[in-house]
Amino acid sequence: GEDVEQSLFLSVREGDSSVINCTYTDSSSTYLYWYKQEPGAGLQLLTYIFSNMDMKQDQRLTVLLNKKDKHLSLRIADTQTGDSAIYFCAERLYGNNRLAFGKGNQVVVIP
Amino acid sequence: GAGVSQSPSNKVTEKGKDVELRCDPISGHTALYWYRQSLGQGLEFLIYFQGNSAPDKSGLPSDRFSAERTGGSVSTLTIQRTQQEDSAVYLCASSRGNAEAFFGQGTRLTVV
Repeated sequence: GEDVEQSLFLSVREGDSSVINCTYTDSSSTYLYWYKQEPGAGLQLLTYIFSNMDMKQDQRLTVLLNKKDKHLSLRIADTQTGDSAIYFCAERLYGNNRLAFGKGNQVVVIP
Repeated sequence: GAGVSQSPSNKVTEKGKDVELRCDPISGHTALYWYRQSLGQGLEFLIYFQGNSAPDKSGLPSDRFSAERTGGSVSTLTIQRTQQEDSAVYLCASSRGNAEAFFGQGTRLTVV
C-alpha cells in the first residue's frame, strides 16, 4: 500500500523545537521527502533522506527515519514565524517511482 | 527556465466546459507529475510521465481527465465537461529521474 499518514495540526512557540511525524506503509520506498507549503504557494522541497540512512541533518532541520516502524519525523530547531506552513511527507514508491504524499501537518508558530 | 512553470495560475470555468492546464518542467527533467489538491486536503496523485515510458495514469479520477507530454517536455492536463467537484489546485512537479521533485505554483481551478 502507499498510504502515508500524518497528524493534522501542531502549534509551537517561537524559539522552541517542533517535531512533525509521518508513517508510511511501503517498506520498499527508496526516498522519503519533506515538503513545505506556505499559504497560497506551491510545495517547496525542504529535505529528503535515502532509505538506507536513519538520520539527516540540514541546518535547523533534522530528519529521522525508522524503517522498522516505517516512521519518519522532521524536527525543526529554533522554530521561527516563517516556519508556519503545512508540511507534507512523501515517499518515492519502489518500482514505479511515483511519489505518494501524506495529508499534511499544519504548523502554527506563536510569537 | 529556473523552475517549474504552470499556466494559467487561476482559471474560472463554467460547469460542462473543457479546460487545459499547462506545465513547463525544469529543462532536462525526465519525470513529470500531476497532482490535485482540494481545499484542506493532501495531494492526490493524478498521472506520472517518465521519459519515453508509458505514463502511469492510475490516479486519473475519471475518463474526463487526460494528459499528454509532448516531446518529453511540456505537459497539458485536460479536463472535459468540468464538474464542480473538479475545483482544486492542480500541481505539477518534475524531477531528474529518481531525484527530488520540484513543484510549480499550481493552477487554481474553480468550476462555477
